[in-house]
Amino acid sequence: EVELVESGGGLVQPGGSLRLSCGATRFMFSNYWMTWVRQAPGKGLEWVANIKEDGSEKNYVDSVKGRFTISRDNAKSSMFLQMNSLRVEDTAVYYCARESRSQLRSFDYWGQGTPVTVSS
Amino acid sequence: DIQMTQSPSSLFASVGDRVTITCRASQSVSTSLNWYQQKTATAPKLLIYTTSTLQRGVPSRFSGSGFGTAFTLTISSMQPEDFATYYCQQSYTATRTFGQGTKVQIK
Repeated sequence: EVELVESGGGLVQPGGSLRLSCGATRFMFSNYWMTWVRQAPGKGLEWVANIKEDGSEKNYVDSVKGRFTISRDNAKSSMFLQMNSLRVEDTAVYYCARESRSQLRSFDYWGQGTPVTVSS
Repeated sequence: DIQMTQSPSSLFASVGDRVTITCRASQSVSTSLNWYQQKTATAPKLLIYTTSTLQRGVPSRFSGSGFGTAFTLTISSMQPEDFATYYCQQSYTATRTFGQGTKVQIK
């Protein structure tokens, strides 16, 4: 069964940085777009960023452009989210998800999430 | 970016009720519309992709329809395990977007 495991969350002060990781197992990671989704406490899902199979295309929600950077290492079946200039409003659980190939980019597998708290 | 708007934001239903949730896109997304179910403190689960195709293992009481800018998710007969929050999401553009969610609660 496909597995995605996020790590790297934690408590950080406003203006600080954090790097999230997403490790993938049991599928050919290099063949899939991957995505980050976040959920602020008590709020809905917000798509954050995605990255093409070979890393040549990256897209971001407007609120994180210029602050967050998505990347991947296909040799290690891993995806990353470098988060800089963090704001209180970035506080959320961050999920990584696989964008399906046969199901028109729906998010068919999700990790369990890693919490990020931005607070002084 | 394409904005997705769900209605209602919440609803109350009883076991056995038929429930319909609406999702509207700010511009056409063709059939690139997906639905997810999320229960408290767990990761979302894909229910329906490309408007109307059920993900493997999803019960047939769930169905989806629509095209362009207007979509619906229908649960034909609510079961106790269906009380959850439902999200639509468009995958028409590379910048994906979700609706704000519809919380389905027990009456």
